[in-house]
Amino acid sequence: EPEVTQTPSHQVTQMGQEVILRCVPISNHLYFYWYRQILGQKVEFLVSFYNNEISEKSEIFDDQFSVERPDGSNFTLKIRSTKLEDSAMYFCASSASLPEAFFGQGTRLTVV
Amino acid sequence: AQKITQTQPGMFVQEKEAVTLDCTYDTSDPSYGLFWYKQPSSGEMIFLIYQGSYDQQNATEGRYSLNFQKARKSANLVISASQLGDSAMYFCAMREGARSNFNKFYFGSGTKLNVKP
Repeated sequence: EPEVTQTPSHQVTQMGQEVILRCVPISNHLYFYWYRQILGQKVEFLVSFYNNEISEKSEIFDDQFSVERPDGSNFTLKIRSTKLEDSAMYFCASSASLPEAFFGQGTRLTVV
Repeated sequence: AQKITQTQPGMFVQEKEAVTLDCTYDTSDPSYGLFWYKQPSSGEMIFLIYQGSYDQQNATEGRYSLNFQKARKSANLVISASQLGDSAMYFCAMREGARSNFNKFYFGSGTKLNVKP
């Protein structure tokens, strides 16, 4: 069964460093998303991406965040200068014409 | 106002019994979709069941059913014959709008279900 794949599963980075979280969405999906879940809290929307551009972003998605689809398969989230409060589980998701979105297994980002 | 409210932070159920996880939602859009996702301790988000706002019948998927009460704006998840593997966090979510299949999810705060042997 096709699935959304995220790498790495866990990343530890120093405050101020740049990180890139990678995702391979399901191949025939057209819409891509990043969500995050701070430990013990609800899942929050960050950004949606369609047709090689951002279609919607939340207030969390400020200038330190960017997304890119560098080739036909990968979808990346870059955090330019990480802060302690960026520590969270980051989920990539993709969807096609069906109502549900399929989520990856998440990348746990720890900023120290 | 919260788009999705889950009022049960934690629930216990005996193995083989049924359990209902509550979810209420808030939207003024006539077109929306309601979802339940399961998050085991390993962290991934697993899609369980979907209910469209125009669907006449309650959705069912195996042991999962969604008790959709539109007038009350509730979308409770019913798990029948609970199994130990059902122990997880459960999130209710909503997408709204005419193109709701592609819009962002609003998630509730989750309910942690523990199934006792």
